[in-house]
Amino acid sequence: DSGVTQTPKHLITATGQRVTLRCSPRSGDLSVYWYQQSLDQGLQFLIQYYNGEERAKGNILERFSAQQFPDLHSELNLSSLELGDSALYFCASSDDQVQGLTEAFFGQGTRLTVV
Amino acid sequence: AQKITQTQPGMFVQEKEAVTLDCTYDTSDPSYGLFWYKQPSSGEMIFLIYQGSYDQQNATEGRYSLNFQKARKSANLVISASQLGDSAMYFCAMRRRNYGQNFVFGPGTRLSVLP
Repeated sequence: DSGVTQTPKHLITATGQRVTLRCSPRSGDLSVYWYQQSLDQGLQFLIQYYNGEERAKGNILERFSAQQFPDLHSELNLSSLELGDSALYFCASSDDQVQGLTEAFFGQGTRLTVV
Repeated sequence: AQKITQTQPGMFVQEKEAVTLDCTYDTSDPSYGLFWYKQPSSGEMIFLIYQGSYDQQNATEGRYSLNFQKARKSANLVISASQLGDSAMYFCAMRRRNYGQNFVFGPGTRLSVLP
């Protein structure tokens, strides 16, 4: 168990809909990352938050947004869903309080299927 | 731009033998970290091993070791005494001290351990 909790584990929704994916980081970790893993694109970095602030942005679509709350949990919102958004969405957390390049621990992922 | 290359889409190894999974990276930053993750068929991402760019010695974690050749920009994962449970996708990743410290992943290598 990595200590990172993602809910829900599976999500099936229709095109055009909006969903929210939730992530609780490991206790004490301030950084949260979101990744999208699809069959043809590998693991794509979406966005990173550190202690409530956006720190880095990757190839995140404008239809997607995220935030990190004061209790450090994070949510990824996906709207106007398209078939191509079907993927495994990972949340990861790491302890970036020191200036080290520590490992990130991943949640189990949310499998999103858009039909 | 930073990039991770894993040239072996798939690998086979006999049980109890050693196997090397290749990873090369491209960065001009002097400070970076290299990571290997394992993704079994169940989908979770499991952290295996870490190597810092300034580390003088190769990292080892149990049956996993990282063959770090800085001048060649390679960070190959060596798994000794392969077990059936080692069958999985293996991802090499890098993060740099700047640029939000987010992780960039390679395309992965699928390892199959044969009985």
